Amino acid sequence: DAKTTQPNSMESNEEEPVHLPCNHSTISGTDYIHWYRQLPSQGPEYVIHGLTSNVNNRMASLAIAEDRKSSTLILHRATLRDAAVYYCILRDGGSARQLTFGSGTQLTVLP
Amino acid sequence: NAGVTQTPKFRVLKTGQSMTLLCAQDMNHEYMYWYRQDPGMGLRLIHYSVGEGTTAKGEVPDGYNVSRLKKQNFLLGLESAAPSQTSVYFCASSYLRGASYEQYFGPGTRLTVT
Repeated sequence: DAKTTQPNSMESNEEEPVHLPCNHSTISGTDYIHWYRQLPSQGPEYVIHGLTSNVNNRMASLAIAEDRKSSTLILHRATLRDAAVYYCILRDGGSARQLTFGSGTQLTVLP
Repeated sequence: NAGVTQTPKFRVLKTGQSMTLLCAQDMNHEYMYWYRQDPGMGLRLIHYSVGEGTTAKGEVPDGYNVSRLKKQNFLLGLESAAPSQTSVYFCASSYLRGASYEQYFGPGTRLTVT
């Protein structure tokens, strides 16, 4: 799977939007962009995924650059419960098997 | 709908002891996975299964064995535990293999080998 680059940590204030960036300059045409998060002492949790177009669901939005070399996970109103490690992961549409986790971004939400 | 459950939640083993971790899913998923997570790191795949009766090696399979006798269960065995196997173990499942399918994770088993 192609590599992703994320900031080690970010901070946000409660009830403000959060934009979590991810760079994936070596992405291939069949790679899907997935986001998972891991709350303290829990297993990872699926957040959202996309291929080319921006995506929205009840948890977040995913904005994908036109050249697909970067993407941004958007939490519209951060809550204290959103404090977690967020992982940006590329999955090859032709041979996806396991998820390849990097070190992710530790999001701290300040009250 | 319990999702993915793991048994036990915590375990302490002495070097050389053996144990089996149980993963169960009630979503009728075909694919199941075992990962380990060491402190401050991402998850790494140990073994996975694409269906009942089939298993395959992942990134870090040495020292572990697995079995998938029933579709809903995936067992991870440590025959002779070593301190290097101290980790948090996560099981996951997904409906099908494929980049558009998400994986569902269990709550984890924290294993300490002394």
